[in-house]
Amino acid sequence: AQSVTQLGSHVSVSEGALVLLRCNYSSSVPPYLFWYVQYPNQGLQLLLKYTTGATLVKGINGFEAEFKKSETSFHLTKPSAHMSDAAEYFCAVSDLGGGFKTIFGAGTRLFVKA
Amino acid sequence: GAVVSQHPSWVICKSGTSVKIECRSLDFQATTMFWYRQFPKQSLMLMATSNEGSKATYEQGVEKDKFLINHASLTLSTLTVTSAHPEDSSFYICSALPEGSTYEQYFGPGTRLTVT
Repeated sequence: AQSVTQLGSHVSVSEGALVLLRCNYSSSVPPYLFWYVQYPNQGLQLLLKYTTGATLVKGINGFEAEFKKSETSFHLTKPSAHMSDAAEYFCAVSDLGGGFKTIFGAGTRLFVKA
Repeated sequence: GAVVSQHPSWVICKSGTSVKIECRSLDFQATTMFWYRQFPKQSLMLMATSNEGSKATYEQGVEKDKFLINHASLTLSTLTVTSAHPEDSSFYICSALPEGSTYEQYFGPGTRLTVT
């Protein structure tokens, strides 16, 4: 069965500092991996996804993530945090073996300090 | 880009009544839609998978008689919360899988349900 673990329910960074949100997954077949962002009382917006090919994936708003099979990780990074990045971030995994179902991690709330 | 809408965006109802939430894919057809539930400050929990023209597949622990799902067309799925109770108060989010896609879901903006 698929599962996703996000390390750290809260992460706080200063504006301009590196953002690192951690995600580890388990999947019995090659996974599809996603990062979503959610602002208060809104739905989810896709930041980036990994399906096949290049393991370093670039997304919107300057975010990127690297798929590391040996570490079963898909950590999200951004070189320089902006105040508008403050939100809830969800890592998710999906695979064909799961019938296209997507399983979400518990989420990490990112705080950005001025 | 692909857009998914939900209606209503928020609803308040009294205990014992039923509420219907609509999920529409506006510019694409979706043979599969998913319904999620999100409690405050928690993650999304998959409730059921809705396939056009067939019965929904419910996740373990989700009462199918309480959460009725109908996927009558390639662009519309509905979730009806029957005999609602305060503990059903939550944020309900749907997503749609475009026809032919195997992974990229598009999410609706969510519906906030409050049962008084």
